[in-house]
Amino acid sequence: DTGVSQDPRHKITKRGQNVTFRCDPISEHNRLYWYRQTLGQGPEFLTYFQNEAQLEKSRLLSDRFSAERPKGSFSTLEIQRTEQGDSAMYLCASSKDGGYYEQYFGPGTRLTVT
Amino acid sequence: AQKVTQVQTEISVVEKEDVTLDCVYETRDTTYYLFWYKQPPSGELVFLIRRNSFDEQNEISGRYSWNFQKSTSSFNFTITASQVVDSAVYFCALSEWNSGAGSYQLTFGKGTKLSVIP
Repeated sequence: DTGVSQDPRHKITKRGQNVTFRCDPISEHNRLYWYRQTLGQGPEFLTYFQNEAQLEKSRLLSDRFSAERPKGSFSTLEIQRTEQGDSAMYLCASSKDGGYYEQYFGPGTRLTVT
Repeated sequence: AQKVTQVQTEISVVEKEDVTLDCVYETRDTTYYLFWYKQPPSGELVFLIRRNSFDEQNEISGRYSWNFQKSTSSFNFTITASQVVDSAVYFCALSEWNSGAGSYQLTFGKGTKLSVIP
């Protein structure tokens, strides 16, 4: 079984543009998480899905951010009207049901907004 | 206050030395879970260990060992006979119940950057 994959690995965009990232979780995992990580910090929770339902969103997730998991498999994270402050590593993770299970992380998408 | 405090920001050791990374957490819950992750220079977070709050037994896995002490709210990680490949950022994380969200939520510390010098 492959691990969590993310695409693209790197994205450079100009301020004001929209970007979309994709995450493919481990196939038998029902839960999928998005995190943001900036330099020198640990990952910060953004949102998570149980199957196709988005169950929680962090206050970090402004209105410009939207996430979907339409069929309970892969997920997309879209950022509209990007700002320089959005520059970060966006990490996706998946786990079995239950928040006590360990989460397995993908390699991340590094976003640079110029 | 930080929920997860990783005491050392950066540590440098010479290869074959032992090194301990300290993690202190804060929670009011009686049921919670603690984790350690490794983030090598390649960037992908790698799961190392999970501990639940009811299991205070120390654990050893090869050169890695973990010391969990509820009395001091600490979950420390020791690498014995360090190697260059151990160079990475190590994160301690706490999973506790978020009543507002109705689910467990994972909170990471800021990480400890370990450099093992040959």
